Amino acid sequence: EVQLMETGGGLVQPGKSLKLTCATSGFTFSIAWMSWVRQSPEKGLEWIARIKPKSINYATEYAESVKGRFTISRDDSKSSIYLQMNSVKEEDTATYYCRGAYDFDYWGQGVMVTVSS
Amino acid sequence: EIVLTQSPTTMAASPGEKVTITCRASTSVSHMYWYQQKSGASPKAWIYETSKLASGVPDRFSGSGSGTSYSFTISSMETEDAATYYCHQWSSIPLTFGSGTKLEIK
Repeated sequence: EVQLMETGGGLVQPGKSLKLTCATSGFTFSIAWMSWVRQSPEKGLEWIARIKPKSINYATEYAESVKGRFTISRDDSKSSIYLQMNSVKEEDTATYYCRGAYDFDYWGQGVMVTVSS
Repeated sequence: EIVLTQSPTTMAASPGEKVTITCRASTSVSHMYWYQQKSGASPKAWIYETSKLASGVPDRFSGSGSGTSYSFTISSMETEDAATYYCHQWSSIPLTFGSGTKLEIK
């Protein structure tokens, strides 16, 4: 059974940091192109970051809205990806989904992040 | 950034009715992807590479299109098809999504 489980969400103050984790199982993680996608009522579905597999040098890509503030990383030994969120803003408030794709396309159940003072 | 414009934003269909959703891209894309999302759940891959059904998707669903114009069709609406559907392009960074079409049962 395929599972992607996001953890680490919660309430965080503007300007602070938060780290999300996505632990996966049930598919070939090492070849997957892994992404973080967030969803809010204001912006809908928004792709924010992607990390490619080892065969493509773990290359990363970011949306302009998070570039320089968020960092995506992966640990193939743990079949997990991470999102380090620094200098968070109120507009980062959203449900954050982890997504794994190759010749498959799997999504986690999401984790809520609320940025508020 | 490739902007995806979906229409309609909302619609209601009776059981057995044909449903068509369109997605226009601001620039040509190689393929379109479609996702189904039900309330309180995460998006699910529904149609990939424009016209291929994801595993477990009933064959009353179909997708077509090319370039900047794509469509998503349900040949005969069923109650379980009520959901929000999103189009999505992977052709260029940033990956982008349409704003969604909320499909309700009449």
